[in-house]
Amino acid sequence: DQQVKQNSPSLSVQEGRISILNCDYTNSMFDYFLWYKKYPAEGPTFLISISSIKDKNEDGRFTVFLNKSAKHLSLHIVPSQPGDSAVYFCAAKAWEDTGRRALTFGSGTRLQVQP
Amino acid sequence: DGGITQSPKYLFRKEGQNVTLSCEQNLNHDAMYWYRQDPGQGLRLIYYSQIVNDFQKGDIAEGYSVSREKKESFPLTVTSAQKNPTAFYLCASSMSWGNEQFFGPGTRLTVL
Repeated sequence: DQQVKQNSPSLSVQEGRISILNCDYTNSMFDYFLWYKKYPAEGPTFLISISSIKDKNEDGRFTVFLNKSAKHLSLHIVPSQPGDSAVYFCAAKAWEDTGRRALTFGSGTRLQVQP
Repeated sequence: DGGITQSPKYLFRKEGQNVTLSCEQNLNHDAMYWYRQDPGQGLRLIYYSQIVNDFQKGDIAEGYSVSREKKESFPLTVTSAQKNPTAFYLCASSMSWGNEQFFGPGTRLTVL
């Protein structure tokens, strides 16, 4: 049962254009969402996050939008650069009875930015 | 420099052998985690520890064991009971109730 889904395994975008990466979730208890960027054979690096009390968070070229009613979030990268080419993981957190606050990850979207 | 180190980067093991993956952090984080990544899949939680001398099973703990004797260290042992051990293993840490997790560079384990 995948609680966090990234339905697009890959995305190709021209340099300078907008990249939009999507993520859907099923667990209504998720209260915090994060995006990580990962290069091959490296650990993920934190990119941007959003709390469930907000619907938008912006950091430079990166903006995350949260639509709680649709259980959907998206990451916008504007303008896209070749260095943005990587795998992007959506992740979410919920308070659980056990006190666990580990992340639940989506399967990732590979972004290719063409020069 | 503060961060998380994992060693070795590449590890080969013969079937039937146990192997231990190292994870050390100097971020003074209380919580540490082990994830596994397989091709085309997200990261799946193996074990986590919220404080020294305490750890909990994640979603795929079978065939793995951990210890947390020191705050800085959270080694993962892949036992011979793990049916499909070949994968990329990632260690992470966070503040006690922090939302953001910081990841190490990973260890790729290959079982021959």
